[in-house]
Amino acid sequence: QQQVKQSPQSLIVQKGGISIINCAYENTAFDYFPWYQQFPGKGPALLIAIRPDVSEKKEGRFTISFNKSAKQFSLHIMDSQPGDSATYFCAASAGGTSYGKLTFGQGTILTVHP
Amino acid sequence: GAGVSQTPSNKVTEKGKYVELRCDPISGHTALYWYRQSLGQGPEFLIYFQGTGAADDSGLPNDRFFAVRPEGSVSTLKIQRTERGDSAVYLCASSSNRGLGGELFFGEGSRLTVL
Repeated sequence: QQQVKQSPQSLIVQKGGISIINCAYENTAFDYFPWYQQFPGKGPALLIAIRPDVSEKKEGRFTISFNKSAKQFSLHIMDSQPGDSATYFCAASAGGTSYGKLTFGQGTILTVHP
Repeated sequence: GAGVSQTPSNKVTEKGKYVELRCDPISGHTALYWYRQSLGQGPEFLIYFQGTGAADDSGLPNDRFFAVRPEGSVSTLKIQRTERGDSAVYLCASSSNRGLGGELFFGEGSRLTVL
């Protein structure tokens, strides 16, 4: 029940295209859903996060869509750029004092071809 | 430096040896987390400190793993009698927020290889 399932494992898109990564969770206590970006040899860095009181959040080219009833959320990267090539992780936590106790998905390796 | 600092960046040890990994969080951050990331996987939660005390150590895999934060700043993750399965990148993260939601800032990790 603690798992967060992420798909696809890898994704290749052309420059300017849309990248979409999906995640699903089981634990209904989760109420904080961040996405992290990780480059090789670096630690994960927060990209964007959402709480379940909204269905969508947009920051620049990055958008999270959230479906509470389906217990699914997704990351959309618009106008994908070669510099976006990295591993992306969705995550979830129960919030409150446990917000930093994140359960991560398995990751998606995104490659954006120029 | 302004970020989370972890040392060593790489550690190679032999099975059965003792290892210490150090984390220096962002100044003023009260919350500190340890995660473990195996190759090709997402990070897994190990332990969380709020100040000097371990608020949640439910992710520590067994009693060979121990972590301290004696002065509420630097933390050390200690692994006794290392096993080959302990090989992973150990990530530290800190946060300024007292549990009300906010960004975790990760270090670059300490890569542990147990031969």
